[in-house]
Order: sequence, then structure tokens, then C-alpha cells
Amino acid sequence: NAGVTQTPKFRILKIGQSMTLQCTQDMNHNYMYWYRQDPGMGLKLIYYSVGAGITDKGEVPNGYNVSRSTTEDFPLRLELAAPSQTSVYFCASSYFAGASGELFFGEGSRLTVL
Amino acid sequence: DAKTTQPNSMESNEEEPVHLPCNHSTISGTDYIHWYRQLPSQGPEYVIHGLTSNVNNRMASLAIAEDRKSSTLILHRATLRDAAVYYCILRTDKLIFGTGTRLQVFP
Repeated sequence: NAGVTQTPKFRILKIGQSMTLQCTQDMNHNYMYWYRQDPGMGLKLIYYSVGAGITDKGEVPNGYNVSRSTTEDFPLRLELAAPSQTSVYFCASSYFAGASGELFFGEGSRLTVL
Repeated sequence: DAKTTQPNSMESNEEEPVHLPCNHSTISGTDYIHWYRQLPSQGPEYVIHGLTSNVNNRMASLAIAEDRKSSTLILHRATLRDAAVYYCILRTDKLIFGTGTRLQVFP
């Protein structure tokens, strides 16, 4: 059981480049989340999904896009990378929001935009 | 979105109990209270959750006020490995993290 898998773990981008952070979970979880964490700060919600085909904005969605075509995958797309997007990105999943809604996190993807 | 308020930092000595407070005065009746912690250079990990009654697990205890406007995470005997940022969160679809409490544990 792999849990939540994020790729890549590290990436350096040039300003204006685009890339996709991949997130896959093998626990058949309905809910999936993308967070970013700037150095010394807390987690900020970028986008979340409550099931395949459904996505919604979080606190800081500008500059990002997501899709949820399957239960397992929730990729995060960065268009026209900017230095302000330098951060550690965490993907998380849970079965449902409620008593058993424990979040499982991936190990994070560290992105640097130069 | 219902918000939580936590102290920025707390300190403890090893093997002493630690009480981490959280205020959530705008909590709704269906919001579960969840606690996560983030060790240095790692992703957050689940600690405990509850709705109305106090809860215990192998990691910690959660004490919830009768009016549910506050809760306290209790680490019964702090170890150096418990040094982390602890987040108190109200569990809804849109899961918002606050700034958390940075716990320092001294030998």
C-alpha cells in the first residue's frame, strides 16, 4: 500500500515555464487536496476535490489549475511559473469529510522558480 | 470558513505533560475537531480527532469543552520526537489549516 505518492520530489523551473505536479493515491479516497507551504509558514489550500470530476478553489488558487478525471489522480498544473510559486507542495487525501476523515499526506514536492 | 486560534509557540521539558490549547468559537454542530502535527522537513500527520466527547489514542488525548468552543490536545509525556508544529483544524470539505503551535521540547 503506497498511500499518497507525489512526483517529482524536487524541481527547478525558470520563470514562465509550466509543469504538472503529480499526485496519486491507492486508498480509493474520495477527497483530495493540494496545499503549498512557504518557508516557515503554515499550509495554504490551493484546490481540493470531493470526487472524480469535481474540483473547487481553496485559499490561493491563482496561477494553478487542477483536474480530477479519476479517483486515484489529482494533478496540479502550474502555468507561467513565477518566483512567488517557490514553495513545498503537499498533496493529501481522505476517504470522506467526517468522523473518519483522517487526511493522509504525501511527502511533498519542493519547487524552486528562478 | 470556521477558524481556529492557537498560540504561536509553547515549550516543555522532556517527560512532562503538554497541554496545547485551541479556540474555535465559530464551530458548527457538525464540525469535527482534528489535530495534525508536522515534524521538521516532513508532511503533516494525523494525531487525533473528536466531535463532542474526550478522545484518547496511543499518541495523545483530546479534551473538548462542553460548549465545543475550545479544545486541548494533551501529550501525556513529551519526548524530543514530539517537537513539531501542531495544527488544530475544523474538519469540513474545505480543509483550512491555521498557523499552528510550534512546540519545543527540552531535554
